Amino acid sequence: ELKVEQNPLFLSMQEGKNYTIYCNYSTTSDRLYWYRQDPGKSLESLFVLLSNGAVKQEGRLMASLDTKARLSTLHITAAVHDLSATYFCAVDEGGNNNDMRFGAGTRLTVKP
Amino acid sequence: EPEVTQTPSHQVTQMGQEVILRCVPISNHLYFYWYRQILGQKVEFLVSFYNNEISEKSEIFDDQFSVERPDGSNFTLKIRSTKLEDSAMYFCASKRGGPYEQYFGPGTRLTVT
Repeated sequence: ELKVEQNPLFLSMQEGKNYTIYCNYSTTSDRLYWYRQDPGKSLESLFVLLSNGAVKQEGRLMASLDTKARLSTLHITAAVHDLSATYFCAVDEGGNNNDMRFGAGTRLTVKP
Repeated sequence: EPEVTQTPSHQVTQMGQEVILRCVPISNHLYFYWYRQILGQKVEFLVSFYNNEISEKSEIFDDQFSVERPDGSNFTLKIRSTKLEDSAMYFCASKRGGPYEQYFGPGTRLTVT
C-alpha cells in the first residue's frame, strides 16, 4: 500500500525565516502534487512535479522532487503571514485514473 | 475559470438516513473522485470513476457507499445508512487525465447526529 509521510506536522515560524517541509513516499512514482488548504476551505493546487529533479517555484514557495530518494520538499523563503495554512503533498501511482494518496499535512503558522 | 462545484455546502442528517452529495465536475474532465476529510485530519481517498464505472475504491468505500453519474454532468456520492463516523468534509475532484492535477470542489460538510 502506498504510504505518504510528511514532516513536520506542525510548524510555527517567524516572518522572514526560511524552512523546509518534507514529503516521503513508499512507491516508485514520478508524480507528486502539493496542495494548500486554508481552514474550512478546499484544496488549492500549488505544484505539479512530474519527473526526477523537477523544481518549481511560485513566489516564496519552491518545490522539488527526487524520485530516487522518494522525497519531495517544499521550501519556504522569507515567510509571511499569508502563507499560514495546511500544506499537503500527494502522490499518484501513475496511469490515467489512479487516485492520489495524501500525506497527513503540515499545519504552518507564520507569526509576525 | 472552470471549477468543480458541490452541493449542498452543509448537510445535517440523522444516523441511519440516506444522503446524496452532488458534484458537477469541470466539463472537459474525464476522471472523477471522491475524498473525505475528517475534521483536522488528512484527506482520504474514497473512490475514482471513469467511463461510467468505478475504477478504484478504498477500504473505506464499503457497501453503504455508491457513486453515480446520472446525466453526464452530475457526479453523486450516496451514503445509504449514515453513521456518526461518516461526519466529515467530502470533496469531489476531477481531472482531464494522465499526470494532470486533480481539481477539488469546495466540499460538503456532512454532520450525522
